[in-house]
Amino acid sequence: DSGVTQTPKHLITATGQRVTLRCSPRSGDLSVYWYQQSLDQGLQFLIQYYNGEERAKGNILERFSAQQFPDLHSELNLSSLELGDSALYFCASSGLDRAGRETQYFGPGTRLLVL
Amino acid sequence: AQTVTQSQPEMSVQEAETVTLSCTYDTSESDYYLFWYKQPPSRQMILVIRQEAYKQQNATENRFSVNFQKAAKSFSLKISDSQLGDAAMYFCAYRRASNYQLIWGAGTKLIIKP
Repeated sequence: DSGVTQTPKHLITATGQRVTLRCSPRSGDLSVYWYQQSLDQGLQFLIQYYNGEERAKGNILERFSAQQFPDLHSELNLSSLELGDSALYFCASSGLDRAGRETQYFGPGTRLLVL
Repeated sequence: AQTVTQSQPEMSVQEAETVTLSCTYDTSESDYYLFWYKQPPSRQMILVIRQEAYKQQNATENRFSVNFQKAAKSFSLKISDSQLGDAAMYFCAYRRASNYQLIWGAGTKLIIKP
């Protein structure tokens, strides 16, 4: 168990709909990252937040948005869903490992299926 | 732009044998980090081993070790004494020292034959 939690585990919805994925980082971690894993695109970085502020953006579509709240949990909002948005969405938080090195710890992922 | 390439979509090895997974990357940076992650059927992403580019010594973690060739931009993973629990997808990942975004390879599926 990485200490990062994601809800829901599975989500099935229809094209055109909007969904919200939730992530709670490990206790004490200020950074949250979102990644998408799809059959077509593989694993790709979407966005990073640090202590409530957007820190970096990757290949995130304009239909997607995210935020990090004062309690440090994060939400990824996906709207106008398309079939191609079906994927496993990972959240990770970063902190120091036992050797003092910055390390990303991954949640179990949310599997999204768009029908 | 940085890229990570894993040229072996699938590898198989006999239990207790040794297997090497390949990874090459492209970057103009001098300071960066490389990682191998394991993704078993549960889909959980688990860090296996990491290498700092400024370190010449290859990283080792129990049965897992890397062969880091900075000039060749190569970062292979060696798994010794393969076990059934090692069966998984293995992803090579890169990140610059100046940011924390991970750039991923396409993955290698490792099959362990009993």
